[in-house]
Amino acid sequence: QVQLVQSGAEVKKPGASVKVSCKASGYTFSSYGITWVRQAPGQGLEWMGWINFYNGYNGNTNYAQKFQGRVTMTTDTSSTTAYMELRSLTSDDTAVYYCARGRYQDDDPRNPNWFDPWGQGTLVTVSS
Amino acid sequence: DIQMTQSPSSLSASVGDRVTITCRASQNIASYLNWYQKKPGKAPELLIYAASSVQGGVPSRFSGSISGTDFTLTISNVQPEDFATFYCQQSYTTPYTFGQGTKLEIK
Repeated sequence: QVQLVQSGAEVKKPGASVKVSCKASGYTFSSYGITWVRQAPGQGLEWMGWINFYNGYNGNTNYAQKFQGRVTMTTDTSSTTAYMELRSLTSDDTAVYYCARGRYQDDDPRNPNWFDPWGQGTLVTVSS
Repeated sequence: DIQMTQSPSSLSASVGDRVTITCRASQNIASYLNWYQKKPGKAPELLIYAASSVQGGVPSRFSGSISGTDFTLTISNVQPEDFATFYCQQSYTTPYTFGQGTKLEIK
């Protein structure tokens, strides 16, 4: 079955970087985009961006303005793994980070629209 | 950015009740609206996509509808496993945005 398995919990100091992995299985990896969403403690869901495969190009990205310059989303098609790296961490980045497979509305492959399934989540704690 | 406003922020219901959650977009988003269920300690799960299409495997008691910029998630005959937080998400334009969530609690 389609499954996304994320890397384990991380504890980082302020100013450090974190790289979370998301291993996909059960489908053709390069046919679907991957989105990243986070949830801070007691807060709602926050979209961070997506990485998509479009027109044969590996790695179109679209990042939320809030994370521009601080986040990088990549994929490794050989290992069917997506990665999300977040730099210059602060305590505000403490959250559970989720990856999810993107699906396309109206069969338009340019922008993943809805997300299913999701990885189990990775807790990133930023603390001195 | 498109603002998604959910109401109510919380509600109490009994097993067997019919529940309605509303999500209003700050501008036209056509049918680019999705609903997710989130339980504590678990990943979100897709319920409804494209405003009214029920995701495979989701019970038929879940349904979605659209009226202009207002979107509704309805749960008919609420079951014990339905108690969770529900989020709408627009995918009309980036940045994709979520509603603030609606927590469904047992009465």
